[in-house]
Amino acid sequence: DAGITQSPRHKVTETGTPVTLRCHQTENHRYMYWYRQDPGHGLRLIHYSYGVKDTDKGEVSDGYSVSRSKTEDFLLTLESATSSQTSVYFCAITGTGNTGELFFGEGSRLTVL
Amino acid sequence: AQRVTQPEKLLSVFKGAPVELKCNYSYSGSPELFWYVQYSRQRLQLLLRHISRESIKGFTADLNKGETSFHLKKPFAQEEDSAMYYCALSGHGNNRLAFGKGNQVVVIP
Repeated sequence: DAGITQSPRHKVTETGTPVTLRCHQTENHRYMYWYRQDPGHGLRLIHYSYGVKDTDKGEVSDGYSVSRSKTEDFLLTLESATSSQTSVYFCAITGTGNTGELFFGEGSRLTVL
Repeated sequence: AQRVTQPEKLLSVFKGAPVELKCNYSYSGSPELFWYVQYSRQRLQLLLRHISRESIKGFTADLNKGETSFHLKKPFAQEEDSAMYYCALSGHGNNRLAFGKGNQVVVIP
């Protein structure tokens, strides 16, 4: 399973509360990604990282921030969760020169009430 | 901009019937195309990529640059093919993957 884990796997929270999702990898891969999966929208890229402290926005980055202080961890933070952020969040990793073959985590299901 | 279009959301086919999932893309440069699959209760995983030109689990996909398409095909569907399928595109040298909206395939026994 490519040594990638996400936590928590399930979370229910209330509107306005902060939420942090963690992605942890043991593969020493350079690239890490956060996607959200929604019916009718497929997978959409939120943020990605191409190295420690190197991150960039994806197509749906509003309302989200990320941090990568070490190679193995990529954190996704919702500063003030909204109901529209109810989704399944997937982390993915890939190595340099391995364009396109992403290895995915199991997903984190977030419900914002 | 990278864009991937998968027109149908749900595709129901009988076992043994052919399956074709359509994928069209928009990209100004040289694209790399992929199909990913998510089986029930499993992680999303790579099914095949156009570069390798291989058949995986009986599925094939041909990149047609003239029609900007990368349709996924299988001549005889099996029950274990029931899953969610995503077409994805990466620009050459670009490590960002853009996904389509996905197709839910249900194979009826």
